[in-house]
Amino acid sequence: EVQLLESGGGLVQPGGSLRLSCAASGFSFSNYAMAWVRQAPGKGLEWLSHLSGSGDAAEYTDSVKGRFTISRDNSRNVLYLQMNSLRAEDTAFYYCTKWHTPLRSEFDPWGQGTLVTVSS
Amino acid sequence: DIQLTQSPSSLSASVGDRVTITCRASQSINIYLNWYQHKVGKAPKLLIYAASTLQSGVPSRFSGGGSVTDFTLTISGLQPEDFATYYCQQSYSTPTFGPGTKVDV
Repeated sequence: EVQLLESGGGLVQPGGSLRLSCAASGFSFSNYAMAWVRQAPGKGLEWLSHLSGSGDAAEYTDSVKGRFTISRDNSRNVLYLQMNSLRAEDTAFYYCTKWHTPLRSEFDPWGQGTLVTVSS
Repeated sequence: DIQLTQSPSSLSASVGDRVTITCRASQSINIYLNWYQHKVGKAPKLLIYAASTLQSGVPSRFSGGGSVTDFTLTISGLQPEDFATYYCQQSYSTPTFGPGTKVDV
């Protein structure tokens, strides 16, 4: 069974940093692109970033470009999201998800999410 | 970026109803449109991908259709566990989600 488990969320002050982790199991991790998606309170889903299976190709949404960095450790089956210069509007549940197929970004499955709160 | 709009933004329905949600893309996305179900406190769930392909394990009362810019998600015979928010998402280019449709009683 494919499982994704996020961790690393919490309360951080504006301007601070946080690193999220996503532990993956049940599939050949290095063969699949992975992504981060978030949901702010009262808002819809927002794709943030994805990273190729080899880790050499990443893409970001404009609102996090230059502040967030996606990475992966294929030897440990872990996906990361380094978040710097955090803002109040980054407050959200952050989900880790896997590309369902190699060529297109259908997301399945998803982790349960980790809550990031940016507040002073 | 490709923008997605959904209609309606919310709807009230009863168990057994047939429900249809529409998603429109701002430009052609071929068939690269996916549907998700999201319940509060739960992980989102992929229902349909490539416009009409039912994800493994998803009940057959869910169906998807459409191509180019106009797509639908239909639930035939709404069940109590189907009350949730539904999102469309395009995988033609840099991913984007629609704003969601909340289905409640």
